[in-house]
Amino acid sequence: GAVVSQHPSRVICKSGTSVKIECRSLDFQATTMFWYRQFPKQSLMLMATSNEGSKATYEQGVEKDKFLINHASLTLSTLTVTSAHPEDSSFYICSADNYGYTFGSGTRLTVV
Amino acid sequence: AQSVTQPDIHITVSEGASLELRCNYSYGATPYLFWYVQSPGQGLQLLLKYFSGDTLVQGIKGFEAEFKRSQSSFNLRKPSVHWSDAAEYFCAVGAINQAGTALIFGKGTTLSVSS
Repeated sequence: GAVVSQHPSRVICKSGTSVKIECRSLDFQATTMFWYRQFPKQSLMLMATSNEGSKATYEQGVEKDKFLINHASLTLSTLTVTSAHPEDSSFYICSADNYGYTFGSGTRLTVV
Repeated sequence: AQSVTQPDIHITVSEGASLELRCNYSYGATPYLFWYVQSPGQGLQLLLKYFSGDTLVQGIKGFEAEFKRSQSSFNLRKPSVHWSDAAEYFCAVGAINQAGTALIFGKGTTLSVSS
């Protein structure tokens, strides 16, 4: 079956620094990947749609300059949280669409 | 607007008892419906999905769901719950298009299993 790998699973960073999260489709090509954010005890909210070779599409209210998305190949999308602050602490999870709607294992970001 | 409602925030069932988790959706077109399970600190595992055809869908781990268009519902069921089923369950709706599929999730239902 389709596998989506997300790395790292956990990261702690200092306030003001940037963090990069990778999302890879391991056994299929994904022209589109999706990034979601999940606050504790809450549901998942779509942040942006990552399109290979073009700019990402951000949902309303998501700061595109803070959450940089790059989809440089058919198997890799990255989310960079720039100038992270404690309020950016959250669980970030990606998905890739090969009609299986497969999710990565998520990244727990803690900004201290 | 598209939305998913999971009316039950928290459900507790006894091990071996049957389970039904409710999900109602609001979607303008033919919905594609999903149920996912999430253990604490983990990603999402797809239990089952409905695109078309038979309205009773079988999934993994003994789960099934029934699509009822007239009720805009997609309830998840399991005849006998195991302690390992304790987790967070999310219902989601999405649409397939050329750009892919972004899902709209319900707020989730926490399942606790008592012995």
